[in-house]
Amino acid sequence: GAVVSQHPSWVICKSGTSVKIECRSLDFQATTMFWYRQFPKQSLMLMATSNEGSKATYEQGVEKDKFLINHASLTLSTLTVTSAHPEDSSFYICSAREASRGETQYFGPGTRLLVL
Amino acid sequence: GESVGLHLPTLSVQEGDNSIINCAYSNSASDYFIWYKQESGKGPQFIIDIRSNMDKRQGQRVTVLLNKTVKHLSLQIAATQPGDSAVYFCAENQTGRRALTFGSGTRLQVQP
Repeated sequence: GAVVSQHPSWVICKSGTSVKIECRSLDFQATTMFWYRQFPKQSLMLMATSNEGSKATYEQGVEKDKFLINHASLTLSTLTVTSAHPEDSSFYICSAREASRGETQYFGPGTRLLVL
Repeated sequence: GESVGLHLPTLSVQEGDNSIINCAYSNSASDYFIWYKQESGKGPQFIIDIRSNMDKRQGQRVTVLLNKTVKHLSLQIAATQPGDSAVYFCAENQTGRRALTFGSGTRLQVQP
């Protein structure tokens, strides 16, 4: 149990385009989902926390208008990188948490974004 | 500021030996700790967790030790195997927060 998927697993796009990444909890209802960004050889940096049906809470320094997060259902959250630029190239990872499972977060496999 | 950090960035061990990965945290209000394993190009994988009311917890080949006095957390892997090679992150949760704070990670290299 506690499987989280992400789609796509990797994406290459041109500078200025928008990219949508999906995060799904496959066998549980995720009351809370988290989006992280990870640069090479670095730790995971939390970008935002989203609860189903409400606005996401962004960490300091993360532009909410650039990284749009939607958590429309208990099994799906999306992250849209708008007007992507080369500096947005990174490994984006989501995690999901179900209230009945306590505080443990289960992570998706990640999405590698390369902006040319 | 408050943070979670690791003592060793890289740990190299021989196959079959025991591995110990350490982690220090600075927030005394932290009450939940998790160890994750991350293989190259993949998302973190849950290994084991421990609450602050415990000082030891065992899983399959892994043991987590928590020393609240010195704010130290360790992950012990018994009979380390090549498949254990990965980056290991500790993470902590503060009371009232939903998000985890991750340490900087330790790369474990298992030599055959």
